[in-house]
Amino acid sequence: RKEVEQDPGPFNVPEGATVAFNCTYSNSASQSFFWYRQDCRKEPKLLMSVYSSGNEDGRFTAQLNRASQYISLLIRDSKLSDSATYLCVVTPYTGGFKTIFGAGTRLFVKA
Amino acid sequence: DTAVSQTPKYLVTQMGNDKSIKCEQNLGHDTMYWYKQDSKKFLKIMFSYNNKELIINETVPNRFSPKSPDKAHLNLHINSLELGDSAVYFCASRYRENTEAFFGQGTRLTVV
Repeated sequence: RKEVEQDPGPFNVPEGATVAFNCTYSNSASQSFFWYRQDCRKEPKLLMSVYSSGNEDGRFTAQLNRASQYISLLIRDSKLSDSATYLCVVTPYTGGFKTIFGAGTRLFVKA
Repeated sequence: DTAVSQTPKYLVTQMGNDKSIKCEQNLGHDTMYWYKQDSKKFLKIMFSYNNKELIINETVPNRFSPKSPDKAHLNLHINSLELGDSAVYFCASRYRENTEAFFGQGTRLTVV
């Protein structure tokens, strides 16, 4: 089993739709979790951190489920500019210099 | 000012050559990384330095050698380049563990 797994997609959704991605991780001792966004031929950039209590930033909501070992990202009212690859990132243990990236989920938002 | 900068942005070279990629960060971070993103877009950690000390060394061929002259710089030297080394190489830095990583723009390496 991979350390971090994501559905690669692509997810094709119309503008205004709500879309959700999940990401599962294998190490129950994982300490920190993030969602990054990567545009085509660009570097990854932090979208949001994922806290135990969840995290919301405008149209974006991230949740952590430690019991089932997954994190989720919900995007409401999708915009064309949301089209990108969304990377799930997990730090697998304490002393978290090492971060594991998922392979990413591609999202296409259509007019 | 660019926070994490890499040079060159593009690198096309022949098999067997030796090449270097440079990375500099002006964020005052202690930890720097090299990642490789292959054609399948999978981002894999290669090396990490914390305050000039190598702390992560993943299973990477010996042809790859990182060097950190100071904590603001992390360079990657690759000997005897192979076709399979073609990828995008990203440098990143972070303030401390479990915090956000900032990435450079990437170096697109093509070995022909």
